[in-house]
Amino acid sequence: DAGVTQSPTHLIKTRGQQVTLRCSPKSGHDTVSWYQQALGQGPQFIFQYYEEEERQRGNFPDRFSGHQFPNYSSELNVNALLLGDSALYLCASSFIITGQRVNNEQFFGPGTRLTVL
Amino acid sequence: AQSVSQHNHHVILSEAASLELGCNYSYGGTVNLFWYVQYPGQHLQLLLKYFSGDPLVKGIKGFEAEFIKSKFSFNLRKPSVQWSDTAEYFCAVNAITAGNKLTFGGGTRVLVKP
Repeated sequence: DAGVTQSPTHLIKTRGQQVTLRCSPKSGHDTVSWYQQALGQGPQFIFQYYEEEERQRGNFPDRFSGHQFPNYSSELNVNALLLGDSALYLCASSFIITGQRVNNEQFFGPGTRLTVL
Repeated sequence: AQSVSQHNHHVILSEAASLELGCNYSYGGTVNLFWYVQYPGQHLQLLLKYFSGDPLVKGIKGFEAEFIKSKFSFNLRKPSVQWSDTAEYFCAVNAITAGNKLTFGGGTRVLVKP
């Protein structure tokens, strides 16, 4: 049973460019959340997708956008990259229990290390 | 909005010593509580979780945590650490009314000397 997978592993971009990160959830999971982990800090919630819609959003600008596909995989897009966007981007998956999104453990992927020069 | 504080940024101890990591959160409503661990070069893994019931929860690898609602705390403990416990530990909170979005603390880096 494959866990959460993310691609690519590492990425180097320059300021102003755009980037797309990809995530495949754990088998049986239908909800994907994205987190940003800056160096030396804890992960910060970016947004969450369920049923192909953004359901919750953290305190991130509109430059951060996402998508969820019918197979539950997800993409994170960041436009107009800034130096401060350099971080480890984590994807986490979970599943809905009888219409609730609470009381569910989130399983994390290995992350994508983004460096903006 | 909820927030999580981990008071110790770095902890260094010897094998067989006892470990206690502090975690406090600020949120007045019902919460789920988690401790995650990130071993060097590996992804975040769940150590233990509290949803309801017995406030003393046991997790993997001999770790346990106690939820003290009156103190808004969820401290992690291990009676006797091993070199393999060297890792970064994160406390996380999920406010029930906020879906299952996790709010993490800043992490505590633990170094166990052999």
